[in-house]
Amino acid sequence: ETGVTQTPRHLVMGMTNKKSLKCEQHLGHNAMYWYKQSAKKPLELMFVYNFKEQTENNSVPSRFSPECPNSSHLFLHLHTLQPEDSALYLCASSLGAGDSKETQYFGPGTRLLVL
Amino acid sequence: GDSVTQMEGPVTLSEEAFLTINCTYTATGYPSLFWYVQYPGEGLQLLLKATKADDKGSNKGFEATYRKETTSFHLEKGSVQVSDSAVYFCALSEGSGTSYGKLTFGQGTILTVHP
Repeated sequence: ETGVTQTPRHLVMGMTNKKSLKCEQHLGHNAMYWYKQSAKKPLELMFVYNFKEQTENNSVPSRFSPECPNSSHLFLHLHTLQPEDSALYLCASSLGAGDSKETQYFGPGTRLLVL
Repeated sequence: GDSVTQMEGPVTLSEEAFLTINCTYTATGYPSLFWYVQYPGEGLQLLLKATKADDKGSNKGFEATYRKETTSFHLEKGSVQVSDSAVYFCALSEGSGTSYGKLTFGQGTILTVHP
């Protein structure tokens, strides 16, 4: 499945570092999402973008900063993270947002370890 | 708020055994229901979905029926294979103008199939 790609696949960073995660979708979709998948916890929605506009911020700490320059690209900028932020970060896209019937297509994720 | 509850795992079966993974939900309106599967090292893939009561979703031998009266969407397969070993997630999407297609996930059920 190459519809949604994410880079890097693995990332190790210190608490004082700044890094960015990248997501790109090749499906012609207009909505993009960031999710956090931690061990033994349900997937948590972080941010939603619809036609490049942020429509959802699920009470995410400001050390996570999303950017959506166009409908095909989504970034997650990371700075001064904590060890508890270590998780699998998943990007997803859908044709639009706001329709419950829409299927979201997921990327392979970035496995982040914060030391 | 919306919630999804899946049966506790992990589930371990022998090849060709019958599989059931229970899923129940709580929602205020008329959600769409999904099953996603996550193979080791990969992102989530849509397995099947149902968008209204009594609909049956099916794919790759898996089936699930949207039961509004019991608020359930149990996943079944008549004969599992080793290649079905993965984590299975039940999810719902509440459709409304302000929900922006948010997916609410269950905690996931790990399935291991032995030869």
